Amino acid sequence: LAKTTQPISMDSYEGQEVNITCSHNNIATNDYITWYQQFPSQGPRFIIQGYKTKVKNEVASLFIPADRKSSTLSLPRVSLSDTAVYYCLVGEWMDSSYKLIFGSGTRLLVRP
Amino acid sequence: EAGVVQSPRYKIIEKKQPVAFWCNPISGHNTLYWYLQNLGQGPELLIRYENEEAVDDSQLPKDRFSAERLKGVDSTLKIQPAELGDSAVYLCASSRTSEAPVQFFGPGTRLTVL
Repeated sequence: LAKTTQPISMDSYEGQEVNITCSHNNIATNDYITWYQQFPSQGPRFIIQGYKTKVKNEVASLFIPADRKSSTLSLPRVSLSDTAVYYCLVGEWMDSSYKLIFGSGTRLLVRP
Repeated sequence: EAGVVQSPRYKIIEKKQPVAFWCNPISGHNTLYWYLQNLGQGPELLIRYENEEAVDDSQLPKDRFSAERLKGVDSTLKIQPAELGDSAVYLCASSRTSEAPVQFFGPGTRLTVL
């Protein structure tokens, strides 16, 4: 059964760069990779989206290798307020059907 | 721009009772999604609408769950009857299109079934 997998948790300190990787072996050919941030009692919030190579915005970078079977979210110089759960979202083909699949989430803890 | 609105925010019911959740997407967003999120897990898609058409409801448990999106704007998700295992957060999201969609999520409805 195809899965979108992420590390369960990561610890970091303020000011460090954090890289979170998501594996998505069955990503659909034309589908984008999207990352979301979620705080307790809130819905997920969009961070960044990409199709291939590298994408960068004001809050994060997204690295996607040529085979697109994984992606890495990079958060530069994290702060305490970046403590949250981070999800990747991709479309995958499963049993001949297209499915939108969220990863299981990576719980990031940023320490002072 | 107003975000995705969901109501109620919290709902507590006894098992076998019916329950309904309401979602108002961002104006102009044609695609609407309903997700279920269990504690400590990622959201799981229940149904996706393009305007008023349900284009993917393959993961909606149709024996007890139903949804509608009349006029292609607001949407309602219903459970009848509710079971203990339905306790979860129900998230609604919308996007402008389904092509390279950036989904905007509401705050969710936390359902507790006793």
